[in-house]
Amino acid sequence: QQQVKQSPQSLIVQKGGISIINCAYENTAFDYFPWYQQFPGKGPALLIAIRPDVSEKKEGRFTISFNKSAKQFSLHIMDSQPGDSATYFCAASNQAGTALIFGKGTTLSVSS
Amino acid sequence: ETGVTQSPTHLIKTRGQQVTLRCSSQSGHNTVSWYQQALGQGPQFIFQYYREEENGRGNFPPRFSGLQFPNYSSELNVNALELDDSALYLCASSLGRSAEAFFGQGTRLTVV
Repeated sequence: QQQVKQSPQSLIVQKGGISIINCAYENTAFDYFPWYQQFPGKGPALLIAIRPDVSEKKEGRFTISFNKSAKQFSLHIMDSQPGDSATYFCAASNQAGTALIFGKGTTLSVSS
Repeated sequence: ETGVTQSPTHLIKTRGQQVTLRCSSQSGHNTVSWYQQALGQGPQFIFQYYREEENGRGNFPPRFSGLQFPNYSSELNVNALELDDSALYLCASSLGRSAEAFFGQGTRLTVV
């Protein structure tokens, strides 16, 4: 019940294309859903986050779509650039906020 | 404003030894969480410290222990190291227990 399932495991997108990464969760107590970006040898960097009171949040080229009834959320990267090539992790936590539960990650490669 | 800093960046230890990893939280943040990230996996929650007290623990054995100091910096101690403890250890700080978490660059621990 604590799992966050992320797909796909890897993704190749052409420059200028849209990258879409999906996550699904089971625990209905989760109420905070961040996405992190991680480059090799670095720690994860917070990209964008959403709470279940909204269905979509956009920041620049990055958009989170949230479907509470389906217990799914996704990250959309518009106009993908080679500099976006990294590993992306979705995560979830509940109101106690003690622990972030991470997905297994998606390795994105944007080809020029 | 300084970010989360961890030391050392790399460490090699022998099986059975003990190790201490250190983390300085971002300025103004009073909560520190530790995560273990195995190669190719998402980070896994070890424990969290809030105002110098443990505030939640993941599925890790007691040989993983920690401390938080009055300045909110933190230590992760691992006793009786095993080969499977080889991983990237990440520290994240936040303002409050359920706020956005910001990660350091991690400490790469190799147990031989």
